[in-house]
Amino acid sequence: GAVVSQHPSRVICKSGTSVKIECRSLDFQATTMFWYRQFPKQSLMLMATSNEGSKATYEQGVEKDKFLINHASLTLSTLTVTSAHPEDSSFYICSARGDGDYGYTFGSGTRLTVV
Amino acid sequence: SQQGEEDPQALSIQEGENATMNCSYKTSINNLQWYRQNSGRGLVHLILIRSNEREKHSGRLRVTLDTSKKSSSLLITASRAADTASYFCAGASGGSYIPTFGRGTSLIVHP
Repeated sequence: GAVVSQHPSRVICKSGTSVKIECRSLDFQATTMFWYRQFPKQSLMLMATSNEGSKATYEQGVEKDKFLINHASLTLSTLTVTSAHPEDSSFYICSARGDGDYGYTFGSGTRLTVV
Repeated sequence: SQQGEEDPQALSIQEGENATMNCSYKTSINNLQWYRQNSGRGLVHLILIRSNEREKHSGRLRVTLDTSKKSSSLLITASRAADTASYFCAGASGGSYIPTFGRGTSLIVHP
């Protein structure tokens, strides 16, 4: 089945630094990937839709300059949290639509802690 | 708008019992998907039911969809301790098919 690899699974960074999270579709091509953010015991909130070869589409209230998304190939999308602050600490999850059905394959998530 | 509100928020049962989780949504959907999330992990797609389907089975899972009531239910039969996780429903509407999630039901199955 479709597999999405997300890396790193856990990262701790200092306030003010930038962190890059990678999302790869391993056995299929994904022209569209999605980035979600999840707070403890909360729902997944869609942050942006990443489109291969074009600009990402951000949801209302998500700062595009803060959360940079690059989808340079059909198998890789990256989310960069720039100038991270403690309030950016969260669980970030990417997903991609697999072939053959309308289900989505999710990465294993990245736990970001900004200290 | 948020598509998918699960009920109950938390469910605690004994191994072997059945677990039923409900989901309500607000607007018309093309399909509804159920996902499972173990603590601190990504989501695993369990089952998708299309708007023209009423019931679907997959192993110990049974999903129903009532579009007139804008609701769905997930039944896990003969639950196991390994079924302990959070379960989310997500409705996808419009041409984009992007699932939008509710808060989830936290299921605890006691061995």
